[in-house]
This record gives sequence, C-alpha cells and structure tokens, in this order.
Amino acid sequence: EAGVAQSPRYKIIEKRQSVAFWCNPISGHATLYWYQQILGQGPKLLIQFQNNGVVDDSQLPKDRFSAERLKGVDSTLKIQPAKLEDSAVYLCASSSLAGEGTDTQYFGPGTRLTVL
Amino acid sequence: AQSVAQPEDQVNVAEGNPLTVKCTYSVSGNPYLFWYVQYPNRGLQFLLKYITGDNLVKGSYGFEAEFNKSQTSFHLKKPSALVSDSALYFCAVSQDSGYSTLTFGKGTMLLVSP
Repeated sequence: EAGVAQSPRYKIIEKRQSVAFWCNPISGHATLYWYQQILGQGPKLLIQFQNNGVVDDSQLPKDRFSAERLKGVDSTLKIQPAKLEDSAVYLCASSSLAGEGTDTQYFGPGTRLTVL
Repeated sequence: AQSVAQPEDQVNVAEGNPLTVKCTYSVSGNPYLFWYVQYPNRGLQFLLKYITGDNLVKGSYGFEAEFNKSQTSFHLKKPSALVSDSALYFCAVSQDSGYSTLTFGKGTMLLVSP
C-alpha cells in the first residue's frame, strides 16, 4: 500500500512570498491532517479534514494560512505572505476512520520550508 | 486541555542494553496513547498505541509500552537496543471525546552506541 505523498520535499523562499504544499493521502483514507513541526518541538495540528469538510482549524493562522481538500482526496496548504517564523517542516497525515481519538495517523515525509 | 511531557531531551544507551523512553500525559477523559518514531528527513512512523485492555502494548521493531493509569505514564521500552534504533521518539495523546486531536510531546532523541 502506498504511503502518504507530499511535495515538494524542500522549499526556500523570501519572507512575504507565497508558497503551497501538496498532499496525497493513503487511498481510501477519509481524514487528512496538516501539522507544523518547528525544530525541537513536536508536531502541532494546523487543520483536520473529514472528507472535504473542515473538522478543526482552531490553530490555523487564518490571516496567512489556507487549506483546501477538493473532492475529499488531495489537499493543498498555502501560506501567503510567509514570515520568518513559518520556517518549519509541514507534515501531512491521513487516517482511515472518522478522525476519532483512536485513529492511527500515517504521516508523509514532510516539506521542509525555509523562509529567508 | 490535554498535554504530554517527555522529560528527557536525550537518552543514551549501549547496544544490547534495555532502553526506556519516558512519557507522562494529562487528559480530562480516558486517554488514547501513541508512540511514533522519526528518522532524519523522514516523516513520523507509527510504533504502537494504547486504546483499552492490556496495559502492556507490543508494537513494531520489538518495542513495547506500559500504560500506568495511576502514574499517568506510558513509557516506551525495548529489551535489547540496536544502533539502528537511534532516532527521535514522540509520545502523543488523544481522548474519547468525538473528534479528538492528537497532542504530541516535544520528542526524545535516543542514541544507541555500538
């Protein structure tokens, strides 16, 4: 079974520029998550989708971050404009069930973003 | 609110010796507990989880974890460490309340020396 795919793997941009990350979850997984992992910290949830609807986006900085999951499969996370503190690894994960607390989440390799 | 504490930034152990990576948690309801491992430039890989039942959970690559409700702990263990176990380990918690999010600890670096 193919895992969670993410692209690009690395991205370097100047502050105030925009950037987009793409995620393709494991086939058949209904729930998709985006996490931000800052160096030296654990992943922090940014947004959770159940099919193509948003379940939790309470920690998403909505003034600059946006995400969508069209047709309940692939997802895109966008940052516009980027700030220096957005430098982090952005992880996408998916789970097969309804996004409940017992679900096992499977992670992609991540996108390392550096903002200069 | 839910939280996870991993009190050790780094754990050093010699190959062949037993290892323990510590984790304590705080939740208002019943906890669901997870361990993940992260190798350099890789995403997180699932090791094991506790949902209910037997307090000793066995997972991938010979790892196991013991759930202790009275001490609110979920320590990761392995009887005999391998150099290839060297990686960053994350403990995470969710709870039994609908769409419960996963909260991660800050991670513990495990270094296994030959």
